[in-house]
Amino acid sequence: GAVVSQHPSRVICKSGTSVKIECRSLDFQATTMFWYRQFPKQSLMLMATSNEGSKATYEQGVEKDKFLINHASLTLSTLTVTSAHPEDSSFYICSARGTLGEVGYTFGSGTRLTVV
Amino acid sequence: ILNVEQSPQSLHVQEGDSTNFTCSFPSSNFYALHWYRWETAKSPEALFVMTLNGDEKKKGRISATLNTKEGYSYLYIKGSQPEDSATYLCAYGPNDYKLSFGAGTTVTVRA
Repeated sequence: GAVVSQHPSRVICKSGTSVKIECRSLDFQATTMFWYRQFPKQSLMLMATSNEGSKATYEQGVEKDKFLINHASLTLSTLTVTSAHPEDSSFYICSARGTLGEVGYTFGSGTRLTVV
Repeated sequence: ILNVEQSPQSLHVQEGDSTNFTCSFPSSNFYALHWYRWETAKSPEALFVMTLNGDEKKKGRISATLNTKEGYSYLYIKGSQPEDSATYLCAYGPNDYKLSFGAGTTVTVRA
């Protein structure tokens, strides 16, 4: 079935630096990738929707200049957290709609970001 | 933000026992209700996508029901096994695009 590979699984960075998270769709083309963030004990919150070859659509309250999304190919979408601050520490996860008739959406395994 | 509530937040069940938990969602503008199983350190895995009021779906020992008029879905686990230990997420979709997730019900099956 469809698989989304997400890297890194964990990252610790210093405040003020940038971090890039990659999501690759294996064996299928993901024309749309959804990026979520989850704080402890809370639900997955949609941050933005990326479409291959066009600008991402950001949810209300999500700073597009801080969370840069690039979807330059049908198999790769990246989320870059720029000038990270401790409050950006969170769990980030991507998902895509498969093209092989799977039930629901296919998720990556998530990235735990800690900004120190 | 669409309000999706899951209850309880967590539960413990003895191996072999059955259990169930709920997901409530807005009853207006309904398109689909998703259920996912999320094991620690793994990707959430889709269990069901339900679209019709009164729909029931089954996958092995896990089944789900849907009531779109009153805005709730139940997930049932029959004869719980240790491998059923996971967080179960429901997600409501008012269209075939965006999903709003509940915070999940974490199930721990005790041997």
